[in-house]
Amino acid sequence: EIVMTQSPATLSVSPGERATLSCRASQSVSSNLAWYQQKPGQAPRLLIYDASTRATGIPARFSGSGSGTDFTLTISSLQSEDFAVYYCQHYNNWPPYSFGQGTKLEIK
Amino acid sequence: QLQLQESGPGLVKPSETLSLTCTVSGGSISSSSYHWGWIRQPPRKGLEYIGSIYYSGSTYYNPSLKSRVTISVDTSKNQFSLKLSSVTAADTAVYYCARQRRGTYFDYWGQGTLVTVSS
Repeated sequence: EIVMTQSPATLSVSPGERATLSCRASQSVSSNLAWYQQKPGQAPRLLIYDASTRATGIPARFSGSGSGTDFTLTISSLQSEDFAVYYCQHYNNWPPYSFGQGTKLEIK
Repeated sequence: QLQLQESGPGLVKPSETLSLTCTVSGGSISSSSYHWGWIRQPPRKGLEYIGSIYYSGSTYYNPSLKSRVTISVDTSKNQFSLKLSSVTAADTAVYYCARQRRGTYFDYWGQGTLVTVSS
């Protein structure tokens, strides 16, 4: 099973600043990676798929990069509504489709 | 707009079987482009993939749960269902149903339903 590891566990950033979240796979997943945002009491929302393609309706300040084992989600200028938990998920050599443990993005 | 809605008991006794149904509206479960999946999230923890089903009935399960999981589909009702047997307190979680681009990411999610395993 491919293990997804996200870092850091918690990231404190001020509104208007850039946030960079990392996700590492225990073996190559090519570009078969998605990012989700989850706010308290809500279901996850798809942000990015195929490592770098924004899902429908996702603002341009969200961007994804990487391939193989190392991936990054960047939020260029944090808005108040962006403070949430973010998960990565691979879809290579499935099942299972492993999720990372999440990064909590909090207001500094 | 596609919508998914989970339904089922919120409380299940240990050793019994958890049963949930996901009703899909605003789209057909018989689309050839999608799988339909279940994901769960224990309180204050991360997401765990349970399994998926194609409209034809083909299933894909997380190996860690495979011996206890059955996912089925009813295309006439535009629904798919989850059964998890021999539950313990460790199965307490919010259970989500979701649409999955075949073999890839989950692009539409239900709101989730909390299932507590307790006597």
